[in-house]
Amino acid sequence: AQSVTQLGSHVSVSEGALVLLRCNYSSSVPPYLFWYVQYPNQGLQLLLKYTSAATLVKGINGFEAEFKKSETSFHLTKPSAHMSDAAEYFCAGGYQKVTFGTGTKLQVIP
Amino acid sequence: DADVTQTPRNRITKTGKRIMLECSQTKGHDRMYWYRQDPGLGLQLIYYSFDVKDINKGEISDGYSVSRQAQAKFSLSLESAIPNQTALYFCATSDLWLETQYFGPGTRLTVL
Repeated sequence: AQSVTQLGSHVSVSEGALVLLRCNYSSSVPPYLFWYVQYPNQGLQLLLKYTSAATLVKGINGFEAEFKKSETSFHLTKPSAHMSDAAEYFCAGGYQKVTFGTGTKLQVIP
Repeated sequence: DADVTQTPRNRITKTGKRIMLECSQTKGHDRMYWYRQDPGLGLQLIYYSFDVKDINKGEISDGYSVSRQAQAKFSLSLESAIPNQTALYFCATSDLWLETQYFGPGTRLTVL
């Protein structure tokens, strides 16, 4: 069965530091892949999506993710964390249906 | 105005009560979804609908039912609520299968 795994339920970074949130998928074919962000008391909103047009995908708010087929990964990065990035991030994807990961809460320390 | 709205936003009910959560969208999308979010578990799909006449069970449909009254409206019902249905419920829409989903603000349901 296809699945999406997020490593680390909580990640803390200092303001200005690199953000790296990990996501791996299990699928024999490249799936559709997404990163969503959820701010407190809000629904999820799309950060970026992989469409197979390019392996490096740029999203909103300075985030990007790189699709690596050899590693079955789609990690989310941002060069410099901002306080406003504090939120929960969900990786999602699949081939026949979309499955969501369990989420990673990002804490940004001043 | 929000593209996907959910009512109510918060609800406290008692075990055994019937409750309905409503979702409306103005995006014109055919596909609508109901998810449940629990801490540490991410989002689990309860039901999804491709159009008014096509409704499908998701991963955790037991204890839930849905109604697609129109393209824009998709309701989730708990026929007899139980405490372990206490969760955050989200409605979402998408234009195409496997495409970007647009989420409502959520309904926080507490079953006592």
